Amino acid sequence: NAGVTQTPKFRILKIGQSMTLQCAQDMNHNYMYWYRQDPGMGLKLIYYSVGAGITDKGEVPNGYNVSRSTTEDFPLRLELAAPSQTSVYFCASSPALYNSPLHFGNGTRLTVT
Amino acid sequence: AQTVTQSQPEMSVQEAETVTLSCTYDTSESDYYLFWYKQPPSRQMILVIRQEAYKQQNATENRFSVNFQKAAKSFSLKISDSQLGDAAMYFCAYRSDSNYQLIWGAGTKLIIKP
Repeated sequence: NAGVTQTPKFRILKIGQSMTLQCAQDMNHNYMYWYRQDPGMGLKLIYYSVGAGITDKGEVPNGYNVSRSTTEDFPLRLELAAPSQTSVYFCASSPALYNSPLHFGNGTRLTVT
Repeated sequence: AQTVTQSQPEMSVQEAETVTLSCTYDTSESDYYLFWYKQPPSRQMILVIRQEAYKQQNATENRFSVNFQKAAKSFSLKISDSQLGDAAMYFCAYRSDSNYQLIWGAGTKLIIKP
């Protein structure tokens, strides 16, 4: 009964480094999302996917890339880390796109120095 | 553009008492959905309750209930018999019937005093 699993839980990057945040779900949900949460703010959508092979930009996609080769996995790639990307990142999934609550992972706290 | 406003950055309540968290939103849509999510210190976002705009009856889930005022664009969360485990950040979120995006408020930190 894992739900949505995110790794790692914490990470510190130097400016210009790259990394991939992993996300996997075992609920056979078609829809998956990446959000970032900055202090004192609500969540902002980075990218989302409606199924394997299909991804689209959300509200704040610059500096990130995603892929969706399987239904289960939806990794988020940071190519050239910048201090502005210091945030908590959440992956989520849902069985439908509209009237459906999201199932969240536990988040990844990323610090770029 | 739709916006969601939570005007209370922090609220505190005595254990076993009742507390109401406020949320207002701005939209020109008539069909939409509203959600309250809880984020405890563990960081995971957990759905507390949701409301469909076309339903006049206020949603309830055990000790949690909402006061949905569509004309006023208000969606407050009432927590009855507050428990220590209710301490968390609470986020209000909006989604229209024609857009995949969830629009989030900035959150309210709820403190439970023993």
